[in-house]
Amino acid sequence: SQQGEEDPQALSIQEGENATMNCSYKTSINNLQWYRQNSGRGLVHLILIRSNEREKHSGRLRVTLDTSKKSSSLLITASRAADTASYFCATDGEYGNKLVFGAGTILRVKS
Amino acid sequence: DGGITQSPKYLFRKEGQNVTLSCEQNLNHDAMYWYRQDPGQGLRLIYYSQIVNDFQKGDIAEGYSVSREKKESFPLTVTSAQKNPTAFYLCASKGLTGPQETQYFGPGTRLLVL
Repeated sequence: SQQGEEDPQALSIQEGENATMNCSYKTSINNLQWYRQNSGRGLVHLILIRSNEREKHSGRLRVTLDTSKKSSSLLITASRAADTASYFCATDGEYGNKLVFGAGTILRVKS
Repeated sequence: DGGITQSPKYLFRKEGQNVTLSCEQNLNHDAMYWYRQDPGQGLRLIYYSQIVNDFQKGDIAEGYSVSREKKESFPLTVTSAQKNPTAFYLCASKGLTGPQETQYFGPGTRLLVL
């Protein structure tokens, strides 16, 4: 069963604009992660935020977590054409030994 | 994709045939995972293993089998019982020290039915 659900399903923006993707989940978590997937490739880990953290930054990425609303957002600032990819949130399961992925947001950055 | 290899990149299966997808890692990770990805969807867990000679079913294990005889290897067999095997299969591994929660993914195998 998929716990995380991303919104929007697809996003198209111009280079230089910011992109925001949202993720909602259903149960308590220890951490939430964001992954990126280029077309036809494996996933690459972007950032992890723990349940006791509210915001985290990594380069042009900013992740927020609201455990009361069971939601997270990923902000990519000053987007580039190379950011074009699918982005997935993943939450750890009840025992933290496996991840549950959402359906993903497809981001297209036009140059 | 570093440290995890999957082969082949493309695999064709005939009706009634079992096929095996390879996954090898040189990251010294204890845990390994198999996921299935259908077009426009997220990843669904098939099987996972946290230690050699032990593995657990994920959410969609029916029609699949695995083995974990070596720490480095976690092959997935798609059996003839899996009636809709066409998908993109991803293998991942995770260590139990350092960034414990991060999974590292291979490049994937695309399975097609002839």
